[in-house]
Amino acid sequence: DQQVKQNSPSLSVQEGRISILNCDYTNSMFDYFLWYKKYPAEGPTFLISISSIKDKNEDGRFTVFLNKSAKHLSLHIVPSQPGDSAVYFCAATGRRGNSGNTPLVFGKGTRLSVIA
Amino acid sequence: EAGVTQSPTHLIKTRGQQATLRCSPISGHTSVYWYQQALGLGLQFLLWYDEGEERNRGNFPPRFSGRQFPNYSSELNVNALELEDSALYLCASSLGGLSTDTQYFGPGTRLTVL
Repeated sequence: DQQVKQNSPSLSVQEGRISILNCDYTNSMFDYFLWYKKYPAEGPTFLISISSIKDKNEDGRFTVFLNKSAKHLSLHIVPSQPGDSAVYFCAATGRRGNSGNTPLVFGKGTRLSVIA
Repeated sequence: EAGVTQSPTHLIKTRGQQATLRCSPISGHTSVYWYQQALGLGLQFLLWYDEGEERNRGNFPPRFSGRQFPNYSSELNVNALELEDSALYLCASSLGGLSTDTQYFGPGTRLTVL
């Protein structure tokens, strides 16, 4: 049972345009969401996160939007650059009281190709 | 500052053997996480160690085990290897023991079971 779903395995975008990567989750206990980027032969690197008390978080060219009622989040990259070509993973976690030790649940990833 | 390191980079074993994978966290990080990424799948959580103790365990059989040493480095052991254990095994570390702490990943160990 996939609790975090990235329904698009791949996405191609022209350089300079907007890339929108989507993620859906089913577990209503999730209250913290992250995006990781992964290049071939490297481990995933943290990109941006958002807490459920917010609906938007911005960091430079990257913005994450959270729609709690729809259990949906999206990552916007504007403008897209060839160096953004990578696999993007959505991840979610929920805090259990003060212990906060629920593990991250990852989606299967979306491969973004930015074409020059 | 050195990142998370993992060894070996590649490991080839035959079915039924045991595999040992190693991870060194970023200096100062006390939490270590292990994930399995099989072909076509996302990262599946395996184990979480913090301050030498197992904090959480994913939905994997008991033949997947590990430990964390006093210097916070960690070892993942997979016994009685099966073909479907072939995957990329990723280790991550974080500063503390909260699930919201940013996890920093190593490059992974590619395990191939023949």
